[in-house]
Amino acid sequence: GNSVTQMEGPVTLSEEAFLTINCTYTATGYPSLFWYVQYPGEGLQLLLKATKADDKGSNKGFEATYRKETTSFHLEKGSVQVSDSAVYFCALRKYNQGGKLIFGQGTELSVKP
Amino acid sequence: SQTIHQWPATLVQPVGSPLSLECTVEGTSNPNLYWYRQAAGRGLQLLFYSVGIGQISSEVPQNLSASRPQDRQFILSSKKLLLSDSGFYLCACPRQEYGELFFGEGSRLTVL
Repeated sequence: GNSVTQMEGPVTLSEEAFLTINCTYTATGYPSLFWYVQYPGEGLQLLLKATKADDKGSNKGFEATYRKETTSFHLEKGSVQVSDSAVYFCALRKYNQGGKLIFGQGTELSVKP
Repeated sequence: SQTIHQWPATLVQPVGSPLSLECTVEGTSNPNLYWYRQAAGRGLQLLFYSVGIGQISSEVPQNLSASRPQDRQFILSSKKLLLSDSGFYLCACPRQEYGELFFGEGSRLTVL
């Protein structure tokens, strides 16, 4: 079946450190891929997305590239800030499945000053 | 612009009590609506979705039910809560057809 696997957290980094959160997926066909972010006490917000292989999604300094050959969509940021502390969710949506997203378990990021 | 309102924001209920969580969407008409649950330490799981008034699809068997009495209203209910129903419940709708999901602020339920 379809699934998303993320690296386990919590991930603790110092400010300005480089961030990678790994995400791999299992799906038939060509799913769309997403990263959502959940700040403390809030709902989820879309961070970035990619809809086909080799697409790169980017937003707020975060990037992720849709790699079909490795079935991955790793999230990266060159220099994290304290305000990036949040839980990050990787998700996939199969073609023509509307809003039925399959989420990973989430990775908590804590950035220390 | 689209907005999603959920209430209550937090709720503490005893085991065996009923539940009603409400979600209201503004800025769109006839949206697909979704209920997701985030259990502690786990990812989000799709519980129900609705493509229109009175149309509910359940994704997982459970103690909960959903209803859509109006075009932009989606309700999550239970007759008797279980401890395992505790979690963070999120209502969502697509920003556009087959577009990315837009989530409400969530309702945090603690069952004691």
